[in-house]
Amino acid sequence: IQMTQSPSTLSASVGDRVTITCRASQSITNWLAWYQQKPGKAPKLLISKASILESGVPSRFSGSGSGTEFTLAITSLQPDDFATYHCQQYNSYPWMFGQGTKVEIK
Amino acid sequence: EMQLVESGGGLVQPGGSLRISCAASGLTVRDNNINWVRQAPGKGLEWVSILHSGTADVTGYSDSVRGRFTISRDTSKNTVYLQMNSLRPDDTGVYYCARRIIFSGMDVWGQGTTVTVSS
Repeated sequence: IQMTQSPSTLSASVGDRVTITCRASQSITNWLAWYQQKPGKAPKLLISKASILESGVPSRFSGSGSGTEFTLAITSLQPDDFATYHCQQYNSYPWMFGQGTKVEIK
Repeated sequence: EMQLVESGGGLVQPGGSLRISCAASGLTVRDNNINWVRQAPGKGLEWVSILHSGTADVTGYSDSVRGRFTISRDTSKNTVYLQMNSLRPDDTGVYYCARRIIFSGMDVWGQGTTVTVSS
């Protein structure tokens, strides 16, 4: 199962609402996770099962979708949110990640 | 606090071998699904391998490492290993170990260990 994220780079300002899309080459029902990664650091799990927010993750993050199309939305972008975001399917092996979306300051 | 700490990375020549380790604290490797995920310089994440919880040592590998890498654990040391043989330059990257719980993504990650395959 191939995962395609778009866009690869996103320029935005503090306070903006941004959305990142992840498409699977076949249905993964809702077995999708989203991660945030900052330079030189390990990824951090934000969302599991497409829409379940991990404990401690701010409510400005949300996930949606099922089947083959998924979205990560960040409302009111904060300075700490500038990072790279990765989607990952865990419906079947081999687990696959999207290529990542870098959210940078406009 | 649950923690994973990787070690053992380094420089190795193409065709060589290396074993990297993932030491766990605050969780037991026998009772958790432990994965290896790698990231080539400037690239995205790539899932490499999994060792399932339990006593049956059920494992999984990506196509790119199957037959060359072997995941294992030592429950007495609470550590998971990745034995990497026939290393290639495209195996270069940061290797992370990560815990995954059922129905969820990978929620506990180590800090990573760097493997460089070069002559």
